[in-house]
Order: sequence, then structure tokens, then C-alpha cells
Amino acid sequence: GENVEQHPSTLSVQEGDSAVIKCTYSDSASNYFPWYKQELGKGPQLIIDIRSNVGEKKDQRIAVTLNKTAKHFSLHITETQPEDSAVYFCAARASGGSYIPTFGRGTSLIVHP
Amino acid sequence: GAVVSQHPSWVICKSGTSVKIECRSLDFQATTMFWYRQFPKQSLMLMATSNEGSKATYEQGVEKDKFLINHASLTLSTLTVTSAHPEDSSFYICSARVDSTDTQYFGPGTRLTVL
Repeated sequence: GENVEQHPSTLSVQEGDSAVIKCTYSDSASNYFPWYKQELGKGPQLIIDIRSNVGEKKDQRIAVTLNKTAKHFSLHITETQPEDSAVYFCAARASGGSYIPTFGRGTSLIVHP
Repeated sequence: GAVVSQHPSWVICKSGTSVKIECRSLDFQATTMFWYRQFPKQSLMLMATSNEGSKATYEQGVEKDKFLINHASLTLSTLTVTSAHPEDSSFYICSARVDSTDTQYFGPGTRLTVL
């Protein structure tokens, strides 16, 4: 089955800096890669996703890049703000079958004002 | 994005009682919903996949007789924790997959505390 590794487990940055979270996956059949943001006591919120037919996707301060050859994808947050502080989860999902995504272990992002 | 609701948001119950949690997709149809359990500072642990009109598929190690799942309509799935015990205390989160896009959205979660 799929295995998703996520790094780092904790990331601390100053407000205004950029933050990068990286994930690797093992199943070459995976073709959908969502990112979720989870604030304390709440459910995960989909913030951006990318499919294997594109290499990069951007939405305001958030971007995701995908390297299918190397089997890794990354979340980039620019101009970080204190409200970006949360746990971020990456996931990978293969086409067909039951469409169940495999999640990374999460990255706790702390943005210091 | 699509909205998924959960009810209740938190519940406290006595050991031995049963608790039902509802998960609803508010503005889309969801043939497939998922139930997760999350312990503090850990990732999401998939418990079961719920398909409308059929039996749920449980992950290895999850007791299907203890965690009853019903997906009677395209917008509602329920999880019933039967004969709850303190070790069942956790944060339960459902998610629903949009049929037309395969995108998965999560509910806000339910905090269960069993005394």
C-alpha cells in the first residue's frame, strides 16, 4: 500500500517568513495530492490540492509543487501570518479502487509574531 | 468549498452507554463517507469507509460490532459507539467525498469523553 512521509514534524518561523513542508510517497500510481490545515479542536480543512497532470499550483500565499519522478510534493506558504499556525497534513491517493487517501503524520507550524 | 457538518460537536457519556454521531454533507451528494479517529498530536486514523446503501468497510483492528456505521442516504452517515468505555474517548472526524470531483472534505469533529 501507499506510504506517505512528511517532514518536518515541527516548523517554527517568524511572521513574514516562508514555510515549506515536504512529503514523499511510495506508490507510483498515486495521482491526487491534497493538503489539509487543522486548527486546534477542529476538523482538517482542505487548503489546496494538486493532481499528477500538473507540476505546480498556486492560490494566493499558498503553493504546492509536485515531482512525480522523485515521488515528492511540497507545500509552500509565503508571507506567513500568526493565523497560519496549525497542523498541516499532506495526503496521497491512487486512482481507482476505494479512493482512500493515505495521510502523512502532520507538521505543526508555529508562526511567531 | 463543500461543507460537512457533524453533530454533536462534543459529548460526555457514562461507561456502558451508546453514543451516536451524525455526519452530513450540506451542499453536495456523497456516496462515500469516511470515519476517522484522532488522538492528541497524532495523525488521522481511518476507522471505516461508509458507502451509501451498503455495508461499511472497516479497517483492520476496528471492531465493527462496537462502531456501527449507517449510511442511509447520500447526505448522511452515522457512527454509533456502542457500550462505550473510557478508552473510546477520542476525537472522531468524518469526511465526505464529492462524487463529481473525488475531493474529500472533513467535518468539524466530535469530542467524545466517556466517564
